[in-house]
Amino acid sequence: NAGVTQTPKFRILKIGQSMTLQCTQDMNHNYMYWYRQDPGMGLKLIYYSVGAGITDKGEVPNGYNVSRSTTEDFPLRLELAAPSQTSVYFCASSGPGQGANQPQHFGDGTRLSIL
Amino acid sequence: AQSVTQLGSHVSVSEGALVLLRCNYSSSVPPYLFWYVQYPNQGLQLLLKYTSAATLVKGINGFEAEFKKSETSFHLTKPSAHMSDAAEYFCAVTSNFGNEKLTFGTGTRLTIIP
Repeated sequence: NAGVTQTPKFRILKIGQSMTLQCTQDMNHNYMYWYRQDPGMGLKLIYYSVGAGITDKGEVPNGYNVSRSTTEDFPLRLELAAPSQTSVYFCASSGPGQGANQPQHFGDGTRLSIL
Repeated sequence: AQSVTQLGSHVSVSEGALVLLRCNYSSSVPPYLFWYVQYPNQGLQLLLKYTSAATLVKGINGFEAEFKKSETSFHLTKPSAHMSDAAEYFCAVTSNFGNEKLTFGTGTRLTIIP
């Protein structure tokens, strides 16, 4: 059982470049999330999705875009990379169905450096 | 609005000693509370959750937490620390009133002294 899979695990980008962080889950979860983790700051929600075709902004969405064309996949797009986007990015999912008491399952993260 | 405060960004305990990691929350509605653990270079894993049933919640690896509404606290404890407990621990809060997004604390790094 793979759970939540993120690719790539590491990436170095130059300022102004773009890239897509991939996230896929095999648990048939409705909800999916993208977080960034910076030292001493905990996790901040970037975007989330409650199902295929539905996405919404989290706490820190500027500079990012998402799409949710299938239940399984929730890619995160950086269009013009900036040094402030250097961070560790985590994808998570929860479900099946609704319910705030459903725990979130996390991938192992993508470590991104913008130079 | 909801928030979480974790007192102590770093905690060190001796192997075999009591582990106590503090979490206080703020929520305008009845909360759901979670503790997650993060080992180096890994994602977060659920330790335990409180969802309005028993106030004393038991989780994995011998950890437990007690929900105290009067103190707005959800502290994490373990009677006897093991070297494998060294990790970062996050407390998180959400509610079941139309907002199912988690709000995380800033984390507590636990170091175990041999």
